[in-house]
Amino acid sequence: QQQVKQSPQSLIVQKGGISIINCAYENTAFDYFPWYQQFPGKGPALLIAIRPDVSEKKEGRFTISFNKSAKQFSLHIMDSQPGDSATYFCAASDDKIIFGKGTRLHILP
Amino acid sequence: GAVVSQHPSRVICKSGTSVKIECRSLDFQATTMFWYRQFPKQSLMLMATSNEGSKATYEQGVEKDKFLINHASLTLSTLTVTSAHPEDSSFYICSASTAGELFFGEGSRLTVL
Repeated sequence: QQQVKQSPQSLIVQKGGISIINCAYENTAFDYFPWYQQFPGKGPALLIAIRPDVSEKKEGRFTISFNKSAKQFSLHIMDSQPGDSATYFCAASDDKIIFGKGTRLHILP
Repeated sequence: GAVVSQHPSRVICKSGTSVKIECRSLDFQATTMFWYRQFPKQSLMLMATSNEGSKATYEQGVEKDKFLINHASLTLSTLTVTSAHPEDSSFYICSASTAGELFFGEGSRLTVL
């Protein structure tokens, strides 16, 4: 049973546009929701993370929106750049971390 | 952020041999580390949780005699793929947590010929 559902599987965005990736979870015990960025042949790098006591967290061009009642959270990348092209994973954890299946993002130059 | 280092980044071995991958937390101590396996274009699959000074906890379906994990110190965990076969070829990634955040190593690409 997949506990973290991520969409879309792939996403193409024009340079300067907003990239939006969505995730939904089932386990209400999750208390930590990170996003990871992974380039080919590299390990995932922590991008931004949120805990359920806040509804939004912003770091530079990256924003997490969190809806506890809907059990959904999303990543927004503002002013998307070609260098943002990568695979993005959402995750959720209590004592064990569960990953979404990933979104391959391609930013058109 | 915190740094987790993996070595080697790439390894090629012959079928039947054993390969050891090291995972080090460089600027923090980690009583727990995690080992993942990632197939091309897929998500990370947790293989096992490595506990310093005690036995690792393996996920269902992961052969503990095949994937030996040792966590002998607070900064080092090792994964040994024993009697490797071509189907063991994969990208192996470790992670460790500090200050409530989870950080990953750069990954190790194993190719078994």
